[in-house]
Amino acid sequence: NAGVMQNPRHLVRRRGQEARLRCSPMKGHSHVYWYRQLPEEGLKFMVYLQKENIIDESGMPKERFSAEFPKEGPSILRIQQVVRGDSAAYFCASSPPGLAGYEQFFGPGTRLTVL
Amino acid sequence: AQSVTQLGSHVSVSEGALVLLRCNYSSSVPPYLFWYVQYPNQGLQLLLKYTSAATLVKGINGFEAEFKKSETSFHLTKPSAHMSDAAEYFCAVRDSTSGTYKYIFGTGTRLKVLA
Repeated sequence: NAGVMQNPRHLVRRRGQEARLRCSPMKGHSHVYWYRQLPEEGLKFMVYLQKENIIDESGMPKERFSAEFPKEGPSILRIQQVVRGDSAAYFCASSPPGLAGYEQFFGPGTRLTVL
Repeated sequence: AQSVTQLGSHVSVSEGALVLLRCNYSSSVPPYLFWYVQYPNQGLQLLLKYTSAATLVKGINGFEAEFKKSETSFHLTKPSAHMSDAAEYFCAVRDSTSGTYKYIFGTGTRLKVLA
């Protein structure tokens, strides 16, 4: 069973461009979480999604950031008009539905660099 | 609100010495607690987890942690440090109050192992 997949692993964007980060959860997992790790800091929760629904986006910046988890395909974290402060590692985690879903499985992350 | 505090952002130990990384939590409900390790430019690897069963939890790579409710602590230990243990370690609590089960991470402790 493949783990959580994220791509790209490294992404370089210039200020003002768009960044699209993809996350494919583990097979059978219907819950996806996105976290951001700024340099020299811990991970901070951004958004929690289930298929076709955003459940909790309390950690998402109000502007430029959006996330989706469509019925088919990976979850996407989209950052519009990137700024240097968006440079960070973005991690996706997935968990299965139901009572067993207390553990999250993390992907390898996407490291975004904004020039 | 639930939170975790990791005392000591940097810890140095000699090879073969005891490793002790501290984590204190705050939670109004019985917590689910986790320790993760992160090697440079890599993702998070689960070391161990506490889910209200045994208070002494054994994990991978010789690590273990003891849940102490009276001290609200979940410190990570390893009897004998190895050079390969040099990494960053994160303590996390699962948020069980908001219904989203997102993880709340500490700020991390960078472990250095001296030859």
